[in-house]
Amino acid sequence: KAGVTQTPRYLIKTRGQQVTLSCSPISGHRSVSWYQQTPGQGLQFLFEYFSETQRNKGNFPGRFSGRQFSNSRSEMNVSTLELGDSALYLCASSLGSGEAFFGQGTRLTVV
Amino acid sequence: DQQVKQNSPSLSVQEGRISILNCDYTNSMFDYFLWYKKYPAEGPTFLISISSIKDKNEDGRFTVFLNKSAKHLSLHIVPSQPGDSAVYFCAASPKTSYDKVIFGPGTSLSVIP
Repeated sequence: KAGVTQTPRYLIKTRGQQVTLSCSPISGHRSVSWYQQTPGQGLQFLFEYFSETQRNKGNFPGRFSGRQFSNSRSEMNVSTLELGDSALYLCASSLGSGEAFFGQGTRLTVV
Repeated sequence: DQQVKQNSPSLSVQEGRISILNCDYTNSMFDYFLWYKKYPAEGPTFLISISSIKDKNEDGRFTVFLNKSAKHLSLHIVPSQPGDSAVYFCAASPKTSYDKVIFGPGTSLSVIP
């Protein structure tokens, strides 16, 4: 069974640009969550999608948005990038029990 | 405001000894608690969980203890092995939404051979 796949693995963008990250969950998983990991901050919850609907949202500005498609694949978009957005972005899929399976993440660097 | 706290950023333990990782939470709505392990350049992997109706859960060398009145949980690894060296994240989710998982900042465990 394939795991959670995130693309791309690495990305370098300049301030002011926007970026789209992609996540393909484990087959059969309908819940996809996104997290931001920065040094010393742990994993901060961005949002969670279930059946194409945003079900939960963390405390991030509106520049961070996402969507989920009918095949459960999800994308995360960050607009007007800031230097502080440099982080590892992790996607996790689950069956809804809270036990999540993570992808390897996308390392975003904003210069 | 950090709802899940791991006050020890790092911990070093001798191989064969017990590793105890601590976690405190502030939100009384949290109902389900999880531990994840993360190696460098990999995503976190689920380790063990505990529901608020229990005070202990064991899985091989890993045991999680939950003290609801103190809003405290701990992960015990016995015996510790060098392969256990990783960052351990404590996480919690509320009964109203098990998929809104809040993570702590992590504790980096080093097991010394």
